[in-house]
Amino acid sequence: DAGVIQSPRHEVTEMGQEVTLRCKPISGHDYLFWYRQTMMRGLELLIYFNNNVPIDDSGMPEDRFSAKMPNASFSTLKIQPSEPRDSAVYFCASSLTSGRSRTDTQYFGPGTRLTVL
Amino acid sequence: AQTVTQSQPEMSVQEAETVTLSCTYDTSENNYYLFWYKQPPSRQMILVIRQEAYKQQNATENRFSVNFQKAAKSFSLKISDSQLGDTAMYFCAFMSYNTDKLIFGTGTRLQVFP
Repeated sequence: DAGVIQSPRHEVTEMGQEVTLRCKPISGHDYLFWYRQTMMRGLELLIYFNNNVPIDDSGMPEDRFSAKMPNASFSTLKIQPSEPRDSAVYFCASSLTSGRSRTDTQYFGPGTRLTVL
Repeated sequence: AQTVTQSQPEMSVQEAETVTLSCTYDTSENNYYLFWYKQPPSRQMILVIRQEAYKQQNATENRFSVNFQKAAKSFSLKISDSQLGDTAMYFCAFMSYNTDKLIFGTGTRLQVFP
């Protein structure tokens, strides 16, 4: 089975440009998570969805960030306009509702390294 | 609030030797998961091992095993017969049954030397 797929793997853009990161979760998984990883702040949860519905976006840094999940197999994270401080690795992860708990193991995609000049 | 602490920022080990990475956590919950993830230089976050708190038996995955001490809230990772490919950042993580969120430690950077 294919794991979580993210694109692009690398993105270099100039300040002020719009950036769109894409994620395809593992087929059948009903949770999708977006994380950001930086040296200073480590791994931060930005937003997550359950059954395509955003559940918690409290980690989204500001209004320049938005995320959508139009269907069970696709999600986007958009930054508009981008700033140099947005440079980071962005991960998408997915998981499955569990019988015992709300959800179980999160499986991560390979990440997108974003550089904003 | 739950917290995860990894007190060893860096560790090193010689190839073929055994190394143990420490992790402690704080929670008032009784039902939860604990995980170790590995992040090699490729940046991919790879699940190494998973433990459910209700299970007394320590999880093992080939050369990787854990020492889960629920009363002490300790969850250490033992890597046996270390290989160069084990060089990576290792993150300990906690998730309660009652939440959807993973709580990560700050990571331990492991270097395996030939």
